[in-house]
Amino acid sequence: KAGVTQTPRYLIKTRGQQVTLSCSPISGHRSVSWYQQTPGQGLQFLFEYFSETQRNKGNFPGRFSGRQFSNSRSEMNVSTLELGDSALYLCASSSRETGTDTQYFGPGTRLTVL
Amino acid sequence: AQSVTQLDSQVPVFEEAPVELRCNYSSSVSVYLFWYVQYPNQGLQLLLKYLSGSTLVESINGFEAEFNKSQTSFHLRKPSVHISDTAEYFCAVSGNSGYSTLTFGKGTMLLVSP
Repeated sequence: KAGVTQTPRYLIKTRGQQVTLSCSPISGHRSVSWYQQTPGQGLQFLFEYFSETQRNKGNFPGRFSGRQFSNSRSEMNVSTLELGDSALYLCASSSRETGTDTQYFGPGTRLTVL
Repeated sequence: AQSVTQLDSQVPVFEEAPVELRCNYSSSVSVYLFWYVQYPNQGLQLLLKYLSGSTLVESINGFEAEFNKSQTSFHLRKPSVHISDTAEYFCAVSGNSGYSTLTFGKGTMLLVSP
């Protein structure tokens, strides 16, 4: 099976702009989770979508949003970008049928905000 | 809620030496435990996981970890490391009921030198 794919891999934006990142899960997986990774804060959970519904949400401001489509692909959007939003954004997919299923990660999107 | 502490931010070792990467967790509920590895400019790859059963779990590339409930630890060990093991290692925990999210430690950078 193909792994989790994320596009684009690299992105440079300026403060105040908005950005949309995309994630395609492993075929058959219905859960997609998003994480932000920074040197200072480490890996932090953003949100999880399962069958087009947000199931869990981390402690991030409302500028961070996401959605999931009927084919399980997911997008996350960050509006009004701040310098502190520069990070590696990781997407993970799992089948999550039982809650024990392993999360498989994509390569990430490196966002730089200037 | 859960939390994870990885006691060492960086562990330098020589090739063929043994290594232990320490991980302690805190949780008010029973947990699942994971170790992920991240190579430069890549996403996270699952190394091994503890869900239930035997407290000693092994990976295909020689790593092992032991779940110690009384000490709330899940230390990662390898008897003989290779240069190619140089990477960042993340310990993660999730609750074992419902659809709990992953909480990660800050990571330990394993530096293997010849």
